[in-house]
Amino acid sequence: GQQLNQSPQSMFIQEGEDVSMNCTSSSIFNTWLWYKQDPGEGPVLLIALYKAGELTSNGRLTAQFGITRKDSFLNISASIPSDVGIYFCAGILDTGANSKLTFGKGITLSVRP
Amino acid sequence: EPEVTQTPSHQVTQMGQEVILRCVPISNHLYFYWYRQILGQKVEFLVSFYNNEISEKSEIFDDQFSVERPDGSNFTLKIRSTKLEDSAMYFCASSEWSPLSHEQFFGPGTRLTVL
Repeated sequence: GQQLNQSPQSMFIQEGEDVSMNCTSSSIFNTWLWYKQDPGEGPVLLIALYKAGELTSNGRLTAQFGITRKDSFLNISASIPSDVGIYFCAGILDTGANSKLTFGKGITLSVRP
Repeated sequence: EPEVTQTPSHQVTQMGQEVILRCVPISNHLYFYWYRQILGQKVEFLVSFYNNEISEKSEIFDDQFSVERPDGSNFTLKIRSTKLEDSAMYFCASSEWSPLSHEQFFGPGTRLTVL
C-alpha cells in the first residue's frame, strides 16, 4: 500500500533555530497536508498543498509540494517553545470527494529554550 | 471557530463489550471520517462516509465496526465486541470538500482502553 516516510523520528533544536522536515513516498500523491499533534490531542492542520511545485506559507511555516509529487517538506523558521509536538505529513491520492488521508509516522520536535 | 467535537474523551471497557464513540462534525461539512492511532504509532484511516453511506473502508474496519449518522449532527462509530487490540485513540474528522480543498479537520479524539 501507499506509505509516507518521515525521518528522523525525533529532532532536537535550540529556540530561534530554523528546522526542515521531509516526507517522501515511493508513489505519487495529488495533495499533501502537514499536521501538528500535541500530546493527547487530535492532529491540527497546518498547511495544505494542491499542485506540484507549490510553495505555501502560514506564518513561520513554509511547505512545498515536490515537483515529482512524491515528496514534500515543511520548514519552521525562528522556532519557539510552543512548536514542540509531533509533525505528520499526510497525502491524498484520489482527488475525488471522501479521499482518505495516508499519514507518515511523524517527527517529534523538541525545542530547547 | 467551528470545530469537530468528540465524546467521551476516554472510554474504558471490558473485552467483548460494545462501545459507541460519538462525534459532532463541523456543521456545514458533508464528508466524515474515522481514524485511529495506536499509542506511539501513526494515524490510520478506518472509514469515510458521505450521503448516509460508507464511501471507503480500510482492512481494519471489519464486521465488528459500523458507522451511523443517526441525526443531522452526530456521527458515531460502534465496535460490537471489543478486543484488546482495539485500544487506541479514535479520531473523527470532517471536510467540506471542494475541487480546490481537501482539508480534513480532526476532533480531539476518544481514548479507548479495552481491558
